[in-house]
Amino acid sequence: ETGVTQTPRHLVMGMTNKKSLKCEQHLGHNAMYWYKQSAKKPLELMFVYNFKEQTENNSVPSRFSPECPNSSHLFLHLHTLQPEDSALYLCASSHWTGGNTGELFFGEGSRLTVL
Amino acid sequence: GEDVEQSLFLSVREGDSSVINCTYTDSSSTYLYWYKQEPGAGLQLLTYIFSNMDMKQDQRLTVLLNKKDKHLSLRIADTQTGDSAIYFCAERQTGANNLFFGTGTRLTVIP
Repeated sequence: ETGVTQTPRHLVMGMTNKKSLKCEQHLGHNAMYWYKQSAKKPLELMFVYNFKEQTENNSVPSRFSPECPNSSHLFLHLHTLQPEDSALYLCASSHWTGGNTGELFFGEGSRLTVL
Repeated sequence: GEDVEQSLFLSVREGDSSVINCTYTDSSSTYLYWYKQEPGAGLQLLTYIFSNMDMKQDQRLTVLLNKKDKHLSLRIADTQTGDSAIYFCAERQTGANNLFFGTGTRLTVIP
């Protein structure tokens, strides 16, 4: 059991669809993250939430819309995506403090294919 | 901005040692991490090293940090087929909670 659960694991959508990715953590953490993993590229940080407040938006296009209703849940709403948005989207959580190791715990990812 | 670089592929024979290398550009990095990603799974923390250390050993894993050259390496002794995975190097700046990752190195262990 990972402690961070992502659904769905696989998603295929057309460019005009609207869908959402969901992430839930059971670790008592207060920070949550979305990362994008594409082949042969570094993991890209997309969004960071600390105590439900967005603290970082890494120049992500507006067709990606995050939502964090509480410290345990994080969503990524998808709208009019492009084929180049096809990737593995990873959710992670951590404690938010500058004093600890900052270990991130990752979910297994949602594999998105945009047709 | 932060830049973390790794080679994309490494192949080793079972029983040999593997050495995965990483370079980074940010001299204010506080912690440096190695994560492992097995097929179909998320990233799992393997080990980390604080920037005031130059070596850390944990069973088959040895991390070496050359802060002057901004070079980090992960050595896996007696590599097994179960070690086949993608290994990510990551760094965190002082006071920040975000991690910056490299591309990952795909390690293939040949039986």
